[in-house]
Amino acid sequence: QKEVEQNSGPLSVPEGAIASLNCTYSDRVSQSFFWYRQYSGKSPELIMSIYSNGDKEDGRFTAQLNKASQYVSLLIRDSQPSDSATYLCAVLDTGRRALTFGSGTRLQVQP
Amino acid sequence: GAVVSQHPSRVICKSGTSVKIECRSLDFQATTMFWYRQFPKQSLMLMATSNEGSKATYEQGVEKDKFLINHASLTLSTLTVTSAHPEDSSFYICSASGSGGQGYSTDTQYFGPGTRLTVL
Repeated sequence: QKEVEQNSGPLSVPEGAIASLNCTYSDRVSQSFFWYRQYSGKSPELIMSIYSNGDKEDGRFTAQLNKASQYVSLLIRDSQPSDSATYLCAVLDTGRRALTFGSGTRLQVQP
Repeated sequence: GAVVSQHPSRVICKSGTSVKIECRSLDFQATTMFWYRQFPKQSLMLMATSNEGSKATYEQGVEKDKFLINHASLTLSTLTVTSAHPEDSSFYICSASGSGGQGYSTDTQYFGPGTRLTVL
């Protein structure tokens, strides 16, 4: 059973702070990783993907991947109340071409 | 780019009726489409994967005769919930991944806005 683990939260940070969201996965051969944001009652929207070890930055978001530790994280700089949502980590099952999602971390940014 | 639409966004039906949900990729060719179900406060659960022109692959525990999936073209997939019952009430979400030829990664899934089904 391939698993993706996330802390369910809620993770509460003050406005302007850095929010750090973490995810671990069990399938050592995984190569493609994604972060999605889901607002309550809405469908997930893609924030970013990462395929190589290291950091990938896109605006206020930075994804970090460490394949040796089977760990992927998302940093949100200058957090805004509008960032309050559930963040889903997803790992691509190469064989099935399907995503396995973590249960999501709920982020609350306090004004 | 990478826009996926779903229709209807919300449907309420009586128990025993069938409901069809459409999923369209509007600006790219979706070689693979995925159907998910999400219950309140839970994560997305993959129901099935469909490739254009072939039969869908269902996840374990998903009844293929109850959840009929058709992926007849590179831009349209449909999910039909047959003889719906209250326990089928959920948020159904489709996603699509592209062929890669138009700049869209074959790995990345783009999600539709979802369909909220309520069965009375």
